[in-house]
Amino acid sequence: SQTIHQWPATLVQPVGSPLSLECTVEGTSNPNLYWYRQAAGRGLQLLFYSVGIGQISSEVPQNLSASRPQDRQFILSSKKLLLSDSGFYLCAWKTDMNTEAFFGQGTRLTVV
Amino acid sequence: SQQGEEDPQALSIQEGENATMNCSYKTSINNLQWYRQNSGRGLVHLILIRSNEREKHSGRLRVTLDTSKKSSSLLITASRAADTASYFCATTPAGNKLTFGGGTRVLVKP
Repeated sequence: SQTIHQWPATLVQPVGSPLSLECTVEGTSNPNLYWYRQAAGRGLQLLFYSVGIGQISSEVPQNLSASRPQDRQFILSSKKLLLSDSGFYLCAWKTDMNTEAFFGQGTRLTVV
Repeated sequence: SQQGEEDPQALSIQEGENATMNCSYKTSINNLQWYRQNSGRGLVHLILIRSNEREKHSGRLRVTLDTSKKSSSLLITASRAADTASYFCATTPAGNKLTFGGGTRVLVKP
């Protein structure tokens, strides 16, 4: 069966520090991968999505970047965190446009 | 801006009542999906309705889709306290891009 792993669950980082959040998927190949950010009590903002290794679509100009070094690995990074980068980050995968998405449990990032 | 927008933003009902929430979107779609999120958790898929379908049922859930009005509704019948969560609609306006609305927070009081 397919599973998605996202870690860490919570993270407190100082302003100006780097960030690396990792998401891996098991049990499927060539998934579409997504990174979202969610502010408290709000909807999901699509940050990046990827349809294949090395293929990254950026949706919102920001202080973040994403990479897909392997088929089932999606990494969200920042060189220098800002206070405004705080939020709940969610990774998700799906196989194609007519299927459901499966979400990780999320990472609560607090930039202090 | 987001592709889907839910209405209302928040809903408070008594256990046993029905809960209805709506979603409007802007561009043509292949399908529309509804998800549920418990506080502080990832989203869980509830139901997918294709653009050529008008209504779909799954247990206590009923989803309608009106492509002429670019809108969808989710009805939860006979609500339970465990239905307390946020509900989101999602669409794929282009290719494999999956976008979500702002969500409806549902509180079911026992």
